[in-house]
Amino acid sequence: DAMVIQNPRYQVTQFGKPVTLSCSQTLNHNVMYWYQQKSSQAPKLLFHYYDKDFNNEADTPDNFQSRRPNTSFCFLDIRSPGLGDAAMYLCATSREGQNNEKLFFGSGTQLSVL
Amino acid sequence: GQNIDQPTEMTATEGAIVQINCTYQTSGFNGLFWYQQHAGEAPTFLSYNVLDGLEEKGRFSSFLSRSKGYSYLLLKELQMKDSASYLCAVTDSNYQLIWGAGTKLIIKP
Repeated sequence: DAMVIQNPRYQVTQFGKPVTLSCSQTLNHNVMYWYQQKSSQAPKLLFHYYDKDFNNEADTPDNFQSRRPNTSFCFLDIRSPGLGDAAMYLCATSREGQNNEKLFFGSGTQLSVL
Repeated sequence: GQNIDQPTEMTATEGAIVQINCTYQTSGFNGLFWYQQHAGEAPTFLSYNVLDGLEEKGRFSSFLSRSKGYSYLLLKELQMKDSASYLCAVTDSNYQLIWGAGTKLIIKP
């Protein structure tokens, strides 16, 4: 089945130690998104790619970076994780990013920072 | 500012009907989504409304009134597996997706 896959499901890192979360998709969608979601809060968009074009949200900290080496893969790099970065990180895709398109989410990576 | 309001938590009984409301104040409107999110899992798409009225899909229906900035999700014949958070999200005039914090629905036997 075509899907969005995130690895790992759970990630523990140390304060200040760089960490990379990965996402892959077999849907061949043009748009890939990274969201941060804390408990009982709305998902917060960090950035998205339309094909290779990177779009950063204005309030996304510089500590968060992303790479999309090809259509299928997208990575979220947190250069120096702080305690406040502990959250669920959700990768999502949409075919063309049109307003009526639903998002397809991966299962998420729950990040803990010790 | 842009805002989506949903009740934080609701409780309902198995087999009953529940209505989850969502009101929004956004810069423009280009559609409203409902997603279901089980605890510790990713959201999954439930419904999309862009025109006024009711969209029915099995046990779930979604209603939209653009003039009132209001939507609701109606769940019928509730099952225990319907215990989840339900997130309302609106696409604004800049095609940005604005998310609500979600309504946690607790189903009791």
